[in-house]
Amino acid sequence: AQKVTQAQTEISVVEKEDVTLDCVYETRDTTYYLFWYKQPPSGELVFLIRRNSFDEQNEISGRYSWNFQKSTSSFNFTITASQVVDSAVYFCALRTGGTYKYIFGTGTRLKVLA
Amino acid sequence: DAMVIQNPRYQVTQFGKPVTLSCSQTLNHNVMYWYQQKSSQAPKLLFHYYDKDFNNEADTPDNFQSRRPNTSFCFLDIRSPGLGDAAMYLCATSRASGAVNSNQPQHFGDGTRLSIL
Repeated sequence: AQKVTQAQTEISVVEKEDVTLDCVYETRDTTYYLFWYKQPPSGELVFLIRRNSFDEQNEISGRYSWNFQKSTSSFNFTITASQVVDSAVYFCALRTGGTYKYIFGTGTRLKVLA
Repeated sequence: DAMVIQNPRYQVTQFGKPVTLSCSQTLNHNVMYWYQQKSSQAPKLLFHYYDKDFNNEADTPDNFQSRRPNTSFCFLDIRSPGLGDAAMYLCATSRASGAVNSNQPQHFGDGTRLSIL
């Protein structure tokens, strides 16, 4: 079975702090794809990053960085020097090869306080 | 800009009165999805189309139907809405590149928030 677990329901940080959002996935497939989405209060889901199971390179994009570790089935997301505009719900998602279905975690609500 | 457009942004209907939500896309993506998202929950997949091939989730109530008359448009019909159907409905698209093993992300519309009176 495929599953995505985001154990952190809600995190609050003060502006400029670093914060890491955890994502643990389960799949028996050897080919799979991982995604992070941001959902601000306005409601739309915004794509942030994708990774496939063959590429364990970590990635940095500005203040955002992602750590993909197959050994622990984790795909964690770090925001450096958080800003109020980062406040949103963040979803981790999994798609396995052979299907077009995306499995979402339950999301982590991030509150960045000024 | 190419995008996924959902209309209306907010929809109010009466208990038991059929309602249709619409989604259009200019991305020319061949896969379209409908999700239901309730407050503080993850999006729940209702069904998806690969071109005209309809794929229903096993736990999607019969009350929910969908139509995709062409590549650009997809509709969600709720035949007899109940109070439990009040939610945000999200439409998404993705591009299947000829091989199902592809890491194409989904692109989401802004959603339609459905209220039931």
